[in-house]
Amino acid sequence: AQSVSQHNHHVILSEAASLELGCNYSYGGTVNLFWYVQYPGQHLQLLLKYFSGDPLVKGIKGFEAEFIKSKFSFNLRKPSVQWSDTAEYFCAVSQAGTALIFGKGTTLSVSS
Amino acid sequence: DTAVSQTPKYLVTQMGNDKSIKCEQNLGHDTMYWYKQDSKKFLKIMFSYNNKELIINETVPNRFSPKSPDKAHLNLHINSLELGDSAVYFCASSQEGEKGGPPYNEQFFGPGTRLTVL
Repeated sequence: AQSVSQHNHHVILSEAASLELGCNYSYGGTVNLFWYVQYPGQHLQLLLKYFSGDPLVKGIKGFEAEFIKSKFSFNLRKPSVQWSDTAEYFCAVSQAGTALIFGKGTTLSVSS
Repeated sequence: DTAVSQTPKYLVTQMGNDKSIKCEQNLGHDTMYWYKQDSKKFLKIMFSYNNKELIINETVPNRFSPKSPDKAHLNLHINSLELGDSAVYFCASSQEGEKGGPPYNEQFFGPGTRLTVL
């Protein structure tokens, strides 16, 4: 079955620490990859996306992600987190014309 | 300008009642979706409509019935509400890319409807 795994359930960091959230998927063929963020009490916002081309994708708010096809991974990174990055982060995968399959999410808590 | 809107934002109701949630998108997209986010924040697709036609219907109780009067609207009607239906329901829309171009499938989400069944 197609699935998306996010390895970290809850990550706790201090401000200015570096962040890496893992995401692996099990799909054959061409995939579209996404990271969404959900701030407390708010709706989902797109952080970044990968369709094709350069496997290193830059998104909003200083986030980036790297697609490694051989590892079926799309890990999210940020060199220096801020308190305002406290949120739920979702990795999602789709194939053209299909709905998103989400990972179970990672809760990021950043202390100031 | 609100791209994807949902009403109501909050819905509290008793078990056994019937309720509807509405979704509208003004992006001109062809495809709309309903997702359910449970108490553990897990998001799962429920339905997908393309140009008013159902294209995805995941394993969802038939008490849930989506209706798309036109491609800008996708409503969700729920009969005989149960405690387990309590969740946040998100509507989303997307547009496929041009032929020969990238498979543009970015989805835009609405603000969500928090349904609480008592």
